[in-house]
Formats: sequence, structure tokens, C-alpha cells
Amino acid sequence: DAGITQSPRHKVTETGTPVTLRCHQTENHRYMYWYRQDPGHGLRLIHYSYGVKDTDKGEVSDGYSVSRSKTEDFLLTLESATSSQTSVYFCAISESVAGARSSYNEQFFGPGTRLTVL
Amino acid sequence: LAKTTQPISMDSYEGQEVNITCSHNNIATNDYITWYQQFPSQGPRFIIQGYKTKVTNEVASLFIPADRKSSTLSLPRVSLSDTAVYYCLVGTGANNLFFGTGTRLTVIP
Repeated sequence: DAGITQSPRHKVTETGTPVTLRCHQTENHRYMYWYRQDPGHGLRLIHYSYGVKDTDKGEVSDGYSVSRSKTEDFLLTLESATSSQTSVYFCAISESVAGARSSYNEQFFGPGTRLTVL
Repeated sequence: LAKTTQPISMDSYEGQEVNITCSHNNIATNDYITWYQQFPSQGPRFIIQGYKTKVTNEVASLFIPADRKSSTLSLPRVSLSDTAVYYCLVGTGANNLFFGTGTRLTVIP
């Protein structure tokens, strides 16, 4: 299995509090992603990174910010958590993206973080 | 984002071949087709990826017709451990992939 860890694995917090989720990889992959998964919606991309300090928004980025100061770490921050952000959050990594020099774009996913905002 | 349409659920008996078809009418020229598998309480796992015709690996085959507006994931001789949700993705780049809700496959003994 790809070396991806997420912390914490479970968190319960209250509305209005800041929350930071951490994704750590040992594969030295260039791309890192944050997804959320909710019933009826599948997985939706929040933000992604294509290098240290290089990040961009995904489909559902409102209310979230990210940072990547090192290749191995990608942080997802909820500045002021809301109940609508209760979800399971997955981090993923990939060495490349489909269409860019190589067709190969296997994303490796972490174990997930279950976040509950009360 | 290139949207996909898959059946919500499928049932199959153990040992049978299972074919899951995905429709992607607005696929773009540069888009690749990728399938993932997800078990409960785990992240998705890559199964197979292709651009056209047929791709086969040790776990599945992917059939893509010439117009590329659909694709079929074929799982040979499924077992109970293949019970999972299967996602079809179409796109290219890092932020142009749409997972959708997938197909829930249940393998029956």
C-alpha cells in the first residue's frame, strides 16, 4: 500500500471552531488532493496541490483552505467549522496526471478522517 | 467536468462475469477513462485506466468503443470480496475528474 497517513482519523468538534486535518505521504509524489465523501454525492474534490506551495481549488472549495510547505504534507483547514462540513475526508496522492506526458494517473487514497461538526 | 452515468446498483452470483457500463456522452478528446473500487470505510482503489479499445490487467478489463461515449468494466468470475462500489471517472489533469455516486455491486453466494 502507498504510504499515506491521515490524522486525526476521527474528530468531533463544535460549530465555529477551527479544524486542521493532516495528510502525510512517504512516496514523494508531486500531486496531493483533498476530497470529501457524503451520502448521495460520491467523492468531491476540495483542493489539490501540484507542488510545494502550489495549490488550486476543486469543485467544493468554499469554507476550506489548504497549505503545502513540504512535499510530504498537505494540510486542510476549516477556518470556522459548520455542520454542513460533517463528512468523511480523504487525502490522495498521484505521481502524475492523465494527459500530461503520461496517461497514467493512479491516485492512491489514505484511510480517511471522519469529521463531525456539532 | 465530464459527467458520467452508471447504474446505481447491480447484483451478481459468485463465479459469474460482471460487466458495469458507464455512459460519458460529453467525453473530450484528451480525456482518459478510469475505474476505482471502494470498500466500506476505506478510500477508493485504482482498478484500471484506458483511452480507447481494450485494456486488460490482472484484475479487470476495460472495453471502450470507437466513439468513446461509453465504457464497460468487466470483472471475471467475481467473488464475495468483490462486493464494493465501483466508480467510473472521465477526465484529464488534476482537477477534472468527477467521481459521481458509483455502482454498488453486491456479489451473492
